[in-house]
Amino acid sequence: DQQVKQNSPSLSVQEGRISILNCDYTNSMFDYFLWYKKYPAEGPTFLISISSIKDKNEDGRFTVFLNKSAKHLSLHIVPSQPGDSAVYFCAASGSNTGKLIFGQGTTLQVKP
Amino acid sequence: DTAVSQTPKYLVTQMGNDKSIKCEQNLGHDTMYWYKQDSKKFLKIMFSYNNKELIINETVPNRFSPKSPDKAHLNLHINSLELGDSAVYFCASSPPTGQGAYNEQFFGPGTRLTVL
Repeated sequence: DQQVKQNSPSLSVQEGRISILNCDYTNSMFDYFLWYKKYPAEGPTFLISISSIKDKNEDGRFTVFLNKSAKHLSLHIVPSQPGDSAVYFCAASGSNTGKLIFGQGTTLQVKP
Repeated sequence: DTAVSQTPKYLVTQMGNDKSIKCEQNLGHDTMYWYKQDSKKFLKIMFSYNNKELIINETVPNRFSPKSPDKAHLNLHINSLELGDSAVYFCASSPPTGQGAYNEQFFGPGTRLTVL
């Protein structure tokens, strides 16, 4: 039972354009959501997060949107750069459990 | 400075052997974790320790035993290795609640375990 799903295994965009990565979750007890970025042969690195009391959080080129009623969040990267090419994982956590539930990742390729 | 380090990076071994993976963090965090990333790329939590005390223990075979000698170290010992144990194992740590982003976890580079 996968509680966090990233239904697009891969995404390819042109440099300078917007990248939109999507994530759906099923557990309404989740109250904190995070995006991680992972390069090959490295561990995931934290990118941006959002609490369930907000619907948007922005950090430079990265913005995360949360739609609680749809149990959906998305990560927008604009403008996309070739260095953004990586695997992006969505993760969710609930009630201060300390446990992150990860999606299966979306591989983003930004073409020069 | 490496924040979360793991050794070894690669581990190839025969079925039935016992092996250990070591993890160390120099971030001063109280909580450490072990995750397993299987062939389908799912990252799943296995264990979590807070200040040397086990706080999360997912449904993991008893052959897996974490050990935390101090809050900067969390080692993973695996007995009687099986083919299905082949995966990448990630260690992570997080700051105490209230410090830094809620539940932000810092990951090590991973240990790729191959069981033949």
